[in-house]
Amino acid sequence: GAGVSQSPSNKVTEKGKDVELRCDPISGHTALYWYRQSLGQGLEFLIYFQGNSAPDKSGLPSDRFSAERTGGSVSTLTIQRTQQEDSAVYLCASSSDSSTDTQYFGPGTRLTVL
Amino acid sequence: GESVGLHLPTLSVQEGDNSIINCAYSNSASDYFIWYKQESGKGPQFIIDIRSNMDKRQGQRVTVLLNKTVKHLSLQIAATQPGDSAVYFCAENRLPGGSYIPTFGRGTSLIVHP
Repeated sequence: GAGVSQSPSNKVTEKGKDVELRCDPISGHTALYWYRQSLGQGLEFLIYFQGNSAPDKSGLPSDRFSAERTGGSVSTLTIQRTQQEDSAVYLCASSSDSSTDTQYFGPGTRLTVL
Repeated sequence: GESVGLHLPTLSVQEGDNSIINCAYSNSASDYFIWYKQESGKGPQFIIDIRSNMDKRQGQRVTVLLNKTVKHLSLQIAATQPGDSAVYFCAENRLPGGSYIPTFGRGTSLIVHP
């Protein structure tokens, strides 16, 4: 079956603009994660959705970042009033409902804020 | 706070050699560890995992070793091939009862010379 998909693959925006990044997880996966990866760095956790539970937003760096997951499937990460330091690759992953289940990652969205 | 880290940011090897990538962790409560491979322009891909009740686990050409005494994890790749060139991340987590959010290390870049 299809893996995790993300769109767009690349996004260039001007400082101060809002952007929306989309993630389509693997069908049936109840857990969805957003990460941020800066050049040459590891993965920085942003937010975690599990089923119908309240999301874990502990990794969001500021209130300009928000995410939602509609119908337990597709998720959108929104960054308002983008700043240059927001430039990074944003990765989405999904897994089944266990902490030991493998996370399957999408290809990421490369965000560049000019 | 507690963290996962890697000893070497870059490892260069000749094709056919064995590669060893190391990872140190400091959270003594972590009991589940995962290695991911990330090729350029792609999301991380699961390679192999190990639970803390084991000290060694083997896959196809890969072996993960866990030393809980010194909180050290390593990934061994046998007969390294050019296709193994990528960034390798270790991640730690806790079995159900703990966080469902793995902590990722910074990554080691493996370069395989033909």
